[in-house]
Amino acid sequence: QKEVEQNSGPLSVPEGAIASLNCTYSDRVSQSFFWYRQYSGKSPELIMSIYSNGDKEDGRFTAQLNKASQYVSLLIRDSQPSDSATYLCAVIFNDYKLSFGAGTTVTVRA
Amino acid sequence: NAGVTQTPKFQVLKTGQSMTLQCAQDMNHNSMYWYRQDPGMGLRLIYYSASEGTTDKGEVPNGYNVSRLNKREFSLRLESAAPSQTSVYFCASSASANSPLHFGNGTRLTVT
Repeated sequence: QKEVEQNSGPLSVPEGAIASLNCTYSDRVSQSFFWYRQYSGKSPELIMSIYSNGDKEDGRFTAQLNKASQYVSLLIRDSQPSDSATYLCAVIFNDYKLSFGAGTTVTVRA
Repeated sequence: NAGVTQTPKFQVLKTGQSMTLQCAQDMNHNSMYWYRQDPGMGLRLIYYSASEGTTDKGEVPNGYNVSRLNKREFSLRLESAAPSQTSVYFCASSASANSPLHFGNGTRLTVT
């Protein structure tokens, strides 16, 4: 079983819609949770970090964490064509190694 | 502010050849990492260095060695390249082991 799993894509949404990305992680003590965005041929860039249960909002992005359910999600509101990318969920476990999910590719249709 | 700088950007090797991937960061970060990224596999940790003077194996260390030369530099060496090591390699750094990672631009390596 993979330590970090993301919902399989690709995910296609119309411009202006909400894109919802999900991530579950294994039953290990976990410290920190991150969402990275990766454009094709580029390196990952951090878009959100979340450390405690609940919601965290940053512009059009909202991260949600539920440690009891081992679940972290990312919502992208008012999706734009520039949001078309692969989104990577990452979790730091108690051994301080950052583990990544395989990623979900999002395409925003104009 | 350059952030994390990796060299080279592209490399083609023949099976059995050796090479070193260089990485340097100018953010005064303590921790540094090497990942490889393959289609459908996500990012997999090869080696990491939690602080200067320490290194530790990640998920896929076989066939690789690393050197934390100083606080700024962390190199990855392939002693005898194999086609299975064809991948995109990313170096990253973080302020501490619990902080988000900042990535370099990557090295695209092909082993024939």
